[in-house]
This record gives sequence, C-alpha cells and structure tokens, in this order.
Amino acid sequence: AQKITQTQPGMFVQEKEAVTLDCTYDTSDPSYGLFWYKQPSSGEMIFLIYQGSYDQQNATEGRYSLNFQKARKSANLVISASQLGDSAMYFCAMRERVGGGNKLTFGTGTQLKVEL
Amino acid sequence: GAVVSQHPSRVICKSGTSVKIECRSLDFQATTMFWYRQFPKKSLMLMATSNEGSKATYEQGVEKDKFLINHASLTLSTLTVTSAHPEDSSFYICSARTGEGNTEAFFGQGTRLTVV
Repeated sequence: AQKITQTQPGMFVQEKEAVTLDCTYDTSDPSYGLFWYKQPSSGEMIFLIYQGSYDQQNATEGRYSLNFQKARKSANLVISASQLGDSAMYFCAMRERVGGGNKLTFGTGTQLKVEL
Repeated sequence: GAVVSQHPSRVICKSGTSVKIECRSLDFQATTMFWYRQFPKKSLMLMATSNEGSKATYEQGVEKDKFLINHASLTLSTLTVTSAHPEDSSFYICSARTGEGNTEAFFGQGTRLTVV
C-alpha cells in the first residue's frame, strides 16, 4: 500500500496566486514527521517545511504553510503569492520509525508550473 | 542549514567499470546517511542506510554487492556502483541527518550517472 500519496502529477498556477499541493499519508506509528521538499530541474532536494505528528499548530515557513489534518491523514502544502521561481517538482515525505531507526518515504511528486 | 556535498555531480562511464560517488557532511557530523535513486520524473527510492562504523542496511531488492556503501567517518559516505551497466544509469542522491527524531534530512546535489 502507498505510504505517501500525491494525486496531482502536475499543477499550474498564475504568478502571485496561491496554490495547494495535496498529500495524504498512511502510518500506524503514532510518532511521525511530514516533510515537503522542492526539487528544481537541477536536481537538488530543498527542504521547505516540516510538521511533527504531535504539533498542535500548522507549520509555516515564509510563503509556505502546511495544512495538517491529522484525522484525515493529510498534509497539504500551501504556497502563497506564487513566483516564477517556484516552478519545480514538489515531494511530500514521511518519516516514521522502521526497525531500529527512522526512514523517509517519498510520494510520487507534483510538478508545479507557475505562469505569468 | 546544514550542508551536504555530493561529488561528482555528473559522470559518464563505460559499461563494466566501477564508479564511486562521495557524500560529505560539511559542517556537522552525520552518524547516518541515506542513499536514494531517482529515475526520470519519478520519486526517490531509498536504496540503503549508511551507518558510520558498521555495515549499511539495504532495502529489499537492492543488490549490496552491486552498490557498495562505505561510511568510514562521521562526515563521509561513499557509494560505489560496481561493474556498471546501462540500466544503472540514474540520478543518485544522498542525504544526512543531523540527529535522530524529527530532524529534516539535508540532501546533496545529486549525481547523474550515465553508463554507455
């Protein structure tokens, strides 16, 4: 079964508009972490935002915010005031305990294109 | 944030030869590093977890004799693709964690391997 599901292979948004990228997850570990990464065409993975399973408030980092709905097991990324430089692949990931350590599992990604 | 450096960023090698990829944590000690493989327009797949001073833990389906991992120091892990074949061509990316628990993993720039 998919641990992390990103249902939007591609998204388009106009510059200065807000966009929401969807992510749902599945885990039986009560202590887990949710991450969003940005991967531009150059390939590097850029950490954007983190939400812990016990965090009461939604995480925010500048123009990025995470809409965490624990009961629904969703962790959508909201990018406000989109910029052309936001065009990239976006991955949702979950850290959970596996064996004696922690492991990150990635979703399939959403390709975001910001248009003029 | 913490910096992870990966080298080389791009390599082309002949079929049958071996290629070594380095992953360094520049400003922190990383007891654990992770190696991922990414096919074009696909997600990151964890290959193995590299533990300093001990054997790497490989994910199911990853040939440990094919992908040799050495984590000889707290700042360096290497991945050697042995007897490379064209099907090994891929984007390989490493990450390192600054500590256990809910800390984000910092990624290297990635290495694009092409086997001809």
